[in-house]
Amino acid sequence: AQSVTQPDIHITVSEGASLELRCNYSYGATPYLFWYVQSPGQGLQLLLKYFSGDTLVQGIKGFEAEFKRSQSSFNLRKPSVHWSDAAEYFCAVVVTSGTYKYIFGTGTRLKVLA
Amino acid sequence: DTEVTQTPKHLVMGMTNKKSLKCEQHMGHRAMYWYKQKAKKPPELMFVYSYEKLSINESVPSRFSPECPNSSLLNLHLHALQPEDSALYLCASSQISNTEAFFGQGTRLTVV
Repeated sequence: AQSVTQPDIHITVSEGASLELRCNYSYGATPYLFWYVQSPGQGLQLLLKYFSGDTLVQGIKGFEAEFKRSQSSFNLRKPSVHWSDAAEYFCAVVVTSGTYKYIFGTGTRLKVLA
Repeated sequence: DTEVTQTPKHLVMGMTNKKSLKCEQHMGHRAMYWYKQKAKKPPELMFVYSYEKLSINESVPSRFSPECPNSSLLNLHLHALQPEDSALYLCASSQISNTEAFFGQGTRLTVV
């Protein structure tokens, strides 16, 4: 069955430090992968997506992610975290079974220390 | 216009009430979704509409009744809900292809 795993429930980093959020997927075919961010009580905002091609994708707010097929991973990175990046981050994969269905990971809550 | 608009933003309803959540998009998307999100959990898919037809129902209780009256609108009719149905209800839309889903800001529902 298709699944998405985010191993880290909580991550705390200092402002200005680098960040990496992990995401592993289980899917038989070429996956379509996304990272979304959610501030408390808000909807989800797309940070970046991977469909095919270059395995390093750039997103909004200075985020990037790298697709590694051999490791079934799609980790999110940012070289220097800002206090406003504190939020919940969800990795998601789209699966197709007649229609398109998004499967979300359990999320990683990011806390940023001033 | 790249927005998905949900109304109301907050809703408090009694267990005997009937209410509706509304979602609207004008991006020409032909897939629309309802998700339920409990605190500190990921969104859980409830329903998917493709070309205004219900294509996925994730075994949602019948007290939740979706409706897609046209390609821009998606409703979720609520009746006889339970307190455990209190959650953030998110609407999303996408093209009928593997492109990203655009999410609304959600309706915070409290059942008393």
